[in-house]
Amino acid sequence: GENVEQHPSTLSVQEGDSAVIKCTYSDSASNYFPWYKQELGKRPQLIIDIRSNVGEKKDQRIAVTLNKTAKHFSLHITETQPEDSAVYFCAATKTSGSRLTFGEGTQLTVNP
Amino acid sequence: GAGVSQTPSNKVTEKGKYVELRCDPISGHTALYWYRQSLGQGPEFLIYFQGTGAADDSGLPNDRFFAVRPEGSVSTLKIQRTERGDSAVYLCASSLNAADTGELFFGEGSRLTVL
Repeated sequence: GENVEQHPSTLSVQEGDSAVIKCTYSDSASNYFPWYKQELGKRPQLIIDIRSNVGEKKDQRIAVTLNKTAKHFSLHITETQPEDSAVYFCAATKTSGSRLTFGEGTQLTVNP
Repeated sequence: GAGVSQTPSNKVTEKGKYVELRCDPISGHTALYWYRQSLGQGPEFLIYFQGTGAADDSGLPNDRFFAVRPEGSVSTLKIQRTERGDSAVYLCASSLNAADTGELFFGEGSRLTVL
């Protein structure tokens, strides 16, 4: 089955700096890669996703890049703000309705 | 409803007891998923339903765990003879249609503590 690894496990940045979180996956058939944000005690919420037919996707301060050859994808947050502080999870799946496999999560702390 | 609703939000039980966790998905969502999240970990897949049938139950850890969705809407996760290792947050999620992978909408979770 799919295996997703995520790095780093913790990341601390100053407000206004950029943050990058990286994930690798094992199953070359995976072609849908979402990122979820989970604030303490809250539900995971989708912030951005990418499908394998594109290499990059942006949404305001958030971007995701995908390298299918190397089987890795990354989340980029620019101009970080304290409210970006949360745990971020990457995930991977095939589009045929199979389950999402999540990474272990990255605790992002943005210091004012 | 407006979002995925899970009850109870917290459940404390003793080792060996039986528990039921309920999930009410977003109206119209045909796919329903159960995940388990331990402290400091990512959600771990348990089972998903497309309609009333369990399309993939390969994530259920053993036969003490069972889930149903008899009318294709509300689902119940059932855990028999609970063990301390079952303590976790059980997350339910729904999506419009499992065959068209898109956003999963998660509930707030049911925190299970087995003493």
